[in-house]
Amino acid sequence: ELKVEQNPLFLSMQEGKNYTIYCNYSTTSDRLYWYRQDPGKSLESLFVLLSNGAVKQEGRLMASLDTKARLSTLHITAAVHDLSATYFCAVSNTGNQFYFGTGTSLTVIP
Amino acid sequence: KAGVTQTPRYLIKTRGQQVTLSCSPISGHRSVSWYQQTPGQGLQFLFEYFSETQRNKGNFPGRFSGRQFSNSRSEMNVSTLELGDSALYLCASSVAGGSQAQYFGPGTRLTVL
Repeated sequence: ELKVEQNPLFLSMQEGKNYTIYCNYSTTSDRLYWYRQDPGKSLESLFVLLSNGAVKQEGRLMASLDTKARLSTLHITAAVHDLSATYFCAVSNTGNQFYFGTGTSLTVIP
Repeated sequence: KAGVTQTPRYLIKTRGQQVTLSCSPISGHRSVSWYQQTPGQGLQFLFEYFSETQRNKGNFPGRFSGRQFSNSRSEMNVSTLELGDSALYLCASSVAGGSQAQYFGPGTRLTVL
């Protein structure tokens, strides 16, 4: 079974700082997704990465994919309070099943 | 365009009962997937339906079943409820599944007493 690991699980950072969330997965896949979940809410799609070297940016968030290393990163630039949420990465296999990471709970402190 | 809707939003049942959850995908989306989210196990894939056919299935017991109708609406059924079935059940839709992004509904919070 495909396994997806995220780290850190919990992240507390000050406003204005930069940080990176890491997502490792266990078997070959070139389809990597990032989602955001606010407390008590559903998941919101952030990025879809479909090839090695793919990089996507939206506001203060940038995601990248290295399929050879089986690694994706979600970089946060100059964090603001509104970014506080839980971030999930997910990988899908050829069978179109999605496997989610454990999530990273991000708290941005003023 | 309306988003994914799920009904009911909250449900309380007792052990041994059965429950049916409903999901209406975004108009034009033909793939519907179901997930179970719990604090201990995280997000786990239940199954995916496409054009009324179950295309993929996760590692859940047969008590968990689903179906999809011709209008792409989907239902999920859990029979003989157990305490461990308490969870947030999320459905997600996409145009055709595969590598496309999924759009999640608000979820149904099921509590089994």
